Amino acid sequence: QKEVEQDPGPLSVPEGAIVSLNCTYSNSAFQYFMWYRQYSRKGPELLMYTYSSGNKEDGRFTAQVDKSSKYISLFIRDSQPSDSATYLCAMSVTGANSKLTFGKGITLSVRP
Amino acid sequence: DSGVTQTPKHLITATGQRVTLRCSPRSGDLSVYWYQQSLDQGLQFLIQYYNGEERAKGNILERFSAQQFPDLHSELNLSSLELGDSALYFCASGTAPSTYGYTFGSGTRLTVV
Repeated sequence: QKEVEQDPGPLSVPEGAIVSLNCTYSNSAFQYFMWYRQYSRKGPELLMYTYSSGNKEDGRFTAQVDKSSKYISLFIRDSQPSDSATYLCAMSVTGANSKLTFGKGITLSVRP
Repeated sequence: DSGVTQTPKHLITATGQRVTLRCSPRSGDLSVYWYQQSLDQGLQFLIQYYNGEERAKGNILERFSAQQFPDLHSELNLSSLELGDSALYFCASGTAPSTYGYTFGSGTRLTVV
């Protein structure tokens, strides 16, 4: 079993839809949870960062962490074509600036 | 532009050869991280340097080595290349301690033929 599992996708939604992206993990020592967005031919960029359990909101994006279920989610409200990208969850034991374990990523396409 | 510069952007080489990938971190960042991204394995952590010293090591093959120089740029050396080494290699940089993660470059696409 991989440490971090992410739905493989791809995912296609119409503009304006609510998108839910999910990851599960097996290592209970993970404390730092991140979502990265990667556009084609670019490096991943940090989108959301959460420490331990709870919710965090930033504009149209909401990150949720449920450590009891070892489950994290990223919600995108009012999705836009510019949100079309690959989304990767990432986790760390010791901090956002240490070794990250990534999910394989899911490619999202938002249709105009 | 993320501020992390990777060269070259593309590299095509033959099996058995050796290549060097270069990374210049963002100004002020002391840490450099190397990741390998392939279709089947996703993003895999290779190695981290902090201010010239190796800080953490991941699933880096013995054929691969890296170093960080006094000017903080880093090089990843890949030798005895195999077809399976074809991948995107990303460098990232960051400043510890930080809760904001680190910044990736645009990667070097390595194709081994």
